[in-house]
Amino acid sequence: DAGITQSPRHKVTETGTPVTLRCHQTENHRYMYWYRQDPGHGLRLIHYSYGVKDTDKGEVSDGYSVSRSKTEDFLLTLESATSSQTSVYFCAVRAAYEQYFGPGTRLTVT
Amino acid sequence: DQQVKQNSPSLSVQEGRISILNCDYTNSMFDYFLWYKKYPAEGPTFLISISSIKDKNEDGRFTVFLNKSAKHLSLHIVPSQPGDSAVYFCAASEGYGGSQGNLIFGKGTKLSVKP
Repeated sequence: DAGITQSPRHKVTETGTPVTLRCHQTENHRYMYWYRQDPGHGLRLIHYSYGVKDTDKGEVSDGYSVSRSKTEDFLLTLESATSSQTSVYFCAVRAAYEQYFGPGTRLTVT
Repeated sequence: DQQVKQNSPSLSVQEGRISILNCDYTNSMFDYFLWYKKYPAEGPTFLISISSIKDKNEDGRFTVFLNKSAKHLSLHIVPSQPGDSAVYFCAASEGYGGSQGNLIFGKGTKLSVKP
């Protein structure tokens, strides 16, 4: 499982509140990614990181920010959650030529 | 526009038979392709991959075929087992060996293997 944990695993929050999701890895991978999965859309890249303090936007980055102050932690923040951000969020790391995913966080914005 | 397409949302196969999942892509610069399997309430798990310099890669019951001229790849599962029932995602990358290695995913195909 590439030593990836995500927290929380489930969260319900109200529109307009800030939310932070955490991804933690134990194997010192340089590259880390945040995806969201929605019915009919597959997996879409939100943001990624190629090192401590080095991040960049993905396909669906609007409304999201990220931070990586340590190799092992990659945080995804929804500054003001909206109902359209209800989704399942997956973190991934890159090892060799493949990416390995965490178990996911199911976020519901009411 | 979708760069990676999985045109079959679902596929049903009898146990013991072959499952063939298909994937088409539009970007001729893609040079690395991967298949992932996903069970409900779990993260996707890496299954098998293929580089554009090859046209076939095998791993046990799983074989991926790449047809670059047709921009098409397929995943064959032989023999299919009920535990193979899952959603399968195709993914592709450009310049994977070098840069950040971002993957573009298809929308997935749900495979059901019936006993």
